[in-house]
Amino acid sequence: DAGVIQSPRHEVTEMGQEVTLRCKPISGHNSLFWYRQTMMRGLELLIYFNNNVPIDDSGMPEDRFSAKMPNASFSTLKIQPSEPRDSAVYFCASRMGGHIGELFFGEGSRLTVL
Amino acid sequence: DQQVKQNSPSLSVQEGRISILNCDYTNSMFDYFLWYKKYPAEGPTFLISISSIKDKNEDGRFTVFLNKSAKHLSLHIVPSQPGDSAVYFCAASSKARQLTFGSGTQLTVLP
Repeated sequence: DAGVIQSPRHEVTEMGQEVTLRCKPISGHNSLFWYRQTMMRGLELLIYFNNNVPIDDSGMPEDRFSAKMPNASFSTLKIQPSEPRDSAVYFCASRMGGHIGELFFGEGSRLTVL
Repeated sequence: DQQVKQNSPSLSVQEGRISILNCDYTNSMFDYFLWYKKYPAEGPTFLISISSIKDKNEDGRFTVFLNKSAKHLSLHIVPSQPGDSAVYFCAASSKARQLTFGSGTQLTVLP
């Protein structure tokens, strides 16, 4: 079975450009999470969706970040405009609703903003 | 304000010996704890978990201990193997079901 699929795996862009990261959760999972990994703060939760509805976006750093989940099989995380401090690995994860704990992560999207 | 803390960024252990990874938390509402393992260029994968009603959970070479009064948990790996070399994340969950992660500990098992 396919796991969580993220694209692109790597993105290098210049400051000020728009970045869009994509995620396809595991089929049947109805909770989706976006995390950011940095050396200083480890894995930070940015936003999560339940049944395609954003539940908590308090981790989104600022208005430059936005996330959508138009349907159960697709989500995007957009950064506009991007800044060098946004450089990190962004992970998408999904889970069956109601199951505490275990998340299934994608392989991540490594973003470098020059 | 980090609610889940892993104060050791790295740990080196000789193959065959015990690895002990530590994690502290501040939120008394956390009732479920997990350890994830992450290899380079891969996403984290679930390793082992423990509910707050228990103080120990064992799965093969991996054992997680929970000390609720100290708000501390630890992961023991014995015997350690070179393939265990990875970053280990501690995570905690409350009734809200969100997972809060620590900053990770890089474990290196030396052959």
